[in-house]
Amino acid sequence: DQQVKQNSPSLSVQEGRISILNCDYTNSMFDYFLWYKKYPAEGPTFLISISSIKDKNEDGRFTVFLNKSAKHLSLHIVPSQPGDSAVYFCAASGAGGFKTIFGAGTRLFVKA
Amino acid sequence: DGGITQSPKYLFRKEGQNVTLSCEQNLNHDAMYWYRQDPGQGLRLIYYSQIVNDFQKGDIAEGYSVSREKKESFPLTVTSAQKNPTAFYLCASSSTGIRTYEQYFGPGTRLTVT
Repeated sequence: DQQVKQNSPSLSVQEGRISILNCDYTNSMFDYFLWYKKYPAEGPTFLISISSIKDKNEDGRFTVFLNKSAKHLSLHIVPSQPGDSAVYFCAASGAGGFKTIFGAGTRLFVKA
Repeated sequence: DGGITQSPKYLFRKEGQNVTLSCEQNLNHDAMYWYRQDPGQGLRLIYYSQIVNDFQKGDIAEGYSVSREKKESFPLTVTSAQKNPTAFYLCASSSTGIRTYEQYFGPGTRLTVT
């Protein structure tokens, strides 16, 4: 039972364009959503988060949108840079934050 | 520099042997976690600890054991009862309270059991 789904295993984008990574979830009890970025042979690093009471959170080139009615969130990267090439994990948490469910990840390739 | 260290980076064991993975943090975080990552899958929670001398099972705890005797350390033992131990193991930590959701990860240990 995948409670957090990232249906696109990979995404390729030209440098300078927008990257949009999508994530769907099934559990309406989640109250916090996060995106992590992972380079090969390294642990994930926290990128950006959003509370379930908001629909948008922005941090520099990164914006996360939350559509609760559709149980969908997305990460926008504008403009995309070659250094953004990595695997991006969507994650969702609830009830204190200790049990976080991760999606399978989307590998982003940003071409120069 | 504050952070999380995991050692070793690569670990090889024979089937039937127990093996312990190390995780140390100097971030002064109360909570620590162990995850497992398999190809094409997200991270799955094995165990977590909210405070010293306390820990709870995650979604896939069978065949694993942990201890939390010190705030800085949260070792994971992969026992011979774990049916598919070959995987990439990640340790994480977080503060408690409002920032619990944001976890800081170590570099991981790749365990291969043959």
